[in-house]
Amino acid sequence: AQKITQTQPGMFVQEKEAVTLDCTYDTSDPSYGLFWYKQPSSGEMIFLIYQGSYDQQNATEGRYSLNFQKARKSANLVISASQLGDSAMYFCAMREGQNSGYALNFGKGTSLLVTP
Amino acid sequence: NAGVTQTPKFQVLKTGQSMTLQCAQDMNHEYMSWYRQDPGMGLRLIHYSVGAGITDQGEVPNGYNVSRSTTEDFPLRLLSAAPSQTSVYFCASSKQGGDLQETQYFGPGTRLLVL
Repeated sequence: AQKITQTQPGMFVQEKEAVTLDCTYDTSDPSYGLFWYKQPSSGEMIFLIYQGSYDQQNATEGRYSLNFQKARKSANLVISASQLGDSAMYFCAMREGQNSGYALNFGKGTSLLVTP
Repeated sequence: NAGVTQTPKFQVLKTGQSMTLQCAQDMNHEYMSWYRQDPGMGLRLIHYSVGAGITDQGEVPNGYNVSRSTTEDFPLRLLSAAPSQTSVYFCASSKQGGDLQETQYFGPGTRLLVL
């Protein structure tokens, strides 16, 4: 079963607008970590933001924030004031405990295009 | 620090050939892993290691072999390449495997084409 679901294959947003990229996850482990990575056209994977399952507050990193709704098992990425350089693939990922090898389980990604 | 380095950047193989993808990190990270990225599939874990001398299988291990003789290096071997192994391969590392907060840092990737 898919552990991370990203339902938006592609998104458009106008420069300077905010955009939300959706991510839902599935786990029965009470301890887990949620990550967002950015992959520009050059191909590298860039870490953006982290949210722990026990964190009380939503994570923020500059223009990135994570809208964490634990009961709904969602961890949406919000990018404020979009810039042309934000055009990229965005991946949501979850890290569980020892039984899962501490590996990152990735969603299939959302392609974001920021237009002028 | 160079971070996570991977060689080669690109490789073309014929079916049945073997090769080794190199991965090295200079951050003294205990945890290293290999992923493959296929179009529309996201990244999938091939093998991982929680420390020197310890490796284990991930989601898609068939056709690949790994070893971890040092903390720094984690090579991935393709035993007999098949067209289905055409993919982009990423190596990643993090300080420890047991800390869920530890960010995994990725290498630049190796693009492999098997004809």
